[in-house]
Amino acid sequence: GAVVSQHPSRVICKSGTSVKIECRSLDFQATTMFWYRQFPKQSLMLMATSNEGSKATYEQGVEKDKFLINHASLTLSTLTVTSAHPEDSSFYICSASDFGQGTEAFFGQGTRLTVV
Amino acid sequence: DQQVKQNSPSLSVQEGRISILNCDYTNSMFDYFLWYKKYPAEGPTFLISISSIKDKNEDGRFTVFLNKSAKHLSLHIVPSQPGDSAVYFCAATGGTSYGKLTFGQGTILTVHP
Repeated sequence: GAVVSQHPSRVICKSGTSVKIECRSLDFQATTMFWYRQFPKQSLMLMATSNEGSKATYEQGVEKDKFLINHASLTLSTLTVTSAHPEDSSFYICSASDFGQGTEAFFGQGTRLTVV
Repeated sequence: DQQVKQNSPSLSVQEGRISILNCDYTNSMFDYFLWYKKYPAEGPTFLISISSIKDKNEDGRFTVFLNKSAKHLSLHIVPSQPGDSAVYFCAATGGTSYGKLTFGQGTILTVHP
């Protein structure tokens, strides 16, 4: 299957700082990528749809000014958590679809963010 | 509004026996369904999928069944192995937003040796 790489896998930051998470599709071009968040023992919740060359589409209840998404190229989307607070601590996962191979989404390894 | 539901938080099975994981959905626009396996602190790994034009799809030890009238799907793992122990998520998508998945809550599968 296609490969999606996410970096970093773990990050600890201080309250008030910003953290950038990268998501790359390694062997295909992804015009659309998706960002999810998983709380402990809960499902994956879609945060936003990242569109190459245009603004991201955010799900209801997700603060677009806090979670900045940039999709500058067909292989890279970034999620920046701005002015992080302890309640932003979570597991963030990106995904991308290679429509040439089917409709299953391929996921990155995830990023464990801890805000102290 | 939970559009995809996995009502069993956990399932325990003996090695070699069948594991059956269930999933229900409410959105009639969903026409493509997927099962993912996930370990803690890792991203989900795709297992198997099924289109709404089919009622069964098989891949090795994994079979997914879809009952559209009941809006229900299930994942069968036969024979179950200890390495299958993980959290299993069903997901659904539909319309033109392929790749945008709605996930169930997950079921923790434990396969005992």
